[in-house]
Amino acid sequence: DQQVKQNSPSLSVQEGRISILNCDYTNSMFDYFLWYKKYPAEGPTFLISISSIKDKNEDGRFTVFLNKSAKHLSLHIVPSQPGDSAVYFCAASGNQAGTALIFGKGTTLSVSS
Amino acid sequence: KAGVTQTPRYLIKTRGQQVTLSCSPISGHRSVSWYQQTPGQGLQFLFEYFSETQRNKGNFPGRFSGRQFSNSRSEMNVSTLELGDSALYLCASTLFGQTNTEAFFGQGTRLTVV
Repeated sequence: DQQVKQNSPSLSVQEGRISILNCDYTNSMFDYFLWYKKYPAEGPTFLISISSIKDKNEDGRFTVFLNKSAKHLSLHIVPSQPGDSAVYFCAASGNQAGTALIFGKGTTLSVSS
Repeated sequence: KAGVTQTPRYLIKTRGQQVTLSCSPISGHRSVSWYQQTPGQGLQFLFEYFSETQRNKGNFPGRFSGRQFSNSRSEMNVSTLELGDSALYLCASTLFGQTNTEAFFGQGTRLTVV
């Protein structure tokens, strides 16, 4: 039973446009959410996170929104760049820290120029 | 500051053998978590160690085990290897004791079981 779901396996966006990656979770005990970017044969790289006490967190081109009532979060990338092309993972934790993370299966983002 | 270091990077083993993977966390990080990445299942949590004690465990068989040393370095062991154990094994370290801190991942060990 998947506790963290990324229902879109892939997303294609043009350079300069907004990329929106979505993530749903089922466990209401999750209190900390993170987004990671991953290239093949490398470890995931941290992008941005959000605590369950917030509904929005921004860092440069990246913004994460959390809707606790819907158990849904999304990552917005504006503007999208070709270098953003990678697999994006949503992860959740139930201990307010980046440990014992439960990951979604990832969304492959392709940004074309 | 050095990142998370995993050794070896690549490994080929035969079914039935056992394997030990090593992870050195970022200096000062005392929590180490292990994950398995496969094409079908994605990234799955194996276990987490802090202060030489296993704090959390994922849903994996007992063939998968780990340990942590007093210097926070960690090892994971897989015994009686099966073909399905072929995967990228990732280690992540976290600054334990602080909330809302991210995990930093190593580059992983690619294990192939033949």
